[in-house]
Amino acid sequence: EAQVTQNPRYLITVTGKKLTVTCSQNMNHEYMSWYRQDPGLGLRQIYYSMNVEVTDKGDVPEGYKVSRKEKRNFPLILESPSPNQTSLYFCASSLSLIQAYEQYFGPGTRLTVT
Amino acid sequence: AQKITQTQPGMFVQEKEAVTLDCTYDTSDPSYGLFWYKQPSSGEMIFLIYQGSYDQQNATEGRYSLNFQKARKSANLVISASHLGDSAMYFCAMREYGGYQKVTFGTGTKLQVIP
Repeated sequence: EAQVTQNPRYLITVTGKKLTVTCSQNMNHEYMSWYRQDPGLGLRQIYYSMNVEVTDKGDVPEGYKVSRKEKRNFPLILESPSPNQTSLYFCASSLSLIQAYEQYFGPGTRLTVT
Repeated sequence: AQKITQTQPGMFVQEKEAVTLDCTYDTSDPSYGLFWYKQPSSGEMIFLIYQGSYDQQNATEGRYSLNFQKARKSANLVISASHLGDSAMYFCAMREYGGYQKVTFGTGTKLQVIP
């Protein structure tokens, strides 16, 4: 089944404790992206990747890191989480940058930082 | 900078009626795509419809159609014959193809269908 998977789905952590949210897609998609969703703000792009070893900042990259060592995986790293990073996080992928393919979204990861 | 505006935080529609959800955008890139996604209360993001900036005709997908007015920079979603399962958050999004491949989402419209 074609899908984007994220783990964990729910995470409660404390300020400053490094964490990684994994994202994996099995559709051989080139483009992958991370978003955070906050009430009243919609989805905001954190980082995106156009292919292996190619990543770029979205609109809200501060406090986050990403890497794209393999085409299928695009982990989101919070080196020192803070309470303002409490949010719902989505990973998404799409087939190509050039053509108008929609993004496929993972199920979301709800993160709480205390 | 690209920007998406959804001015309706919430809307109600009677079952079986049509409803229009507004979306305006701003970009200087002549090549872009506009997308609509649905997010039900369960939280997943569901792709609904796509319109390219060079497409001559308005996109349609079943009960969904996109009223694309390029000169006005609007891309409104029209849902015909609403049913209870259409109750959800709806997001408009834009992707520019000319340079950076950023995607920008609007703040969403919460649609509630009334029996």
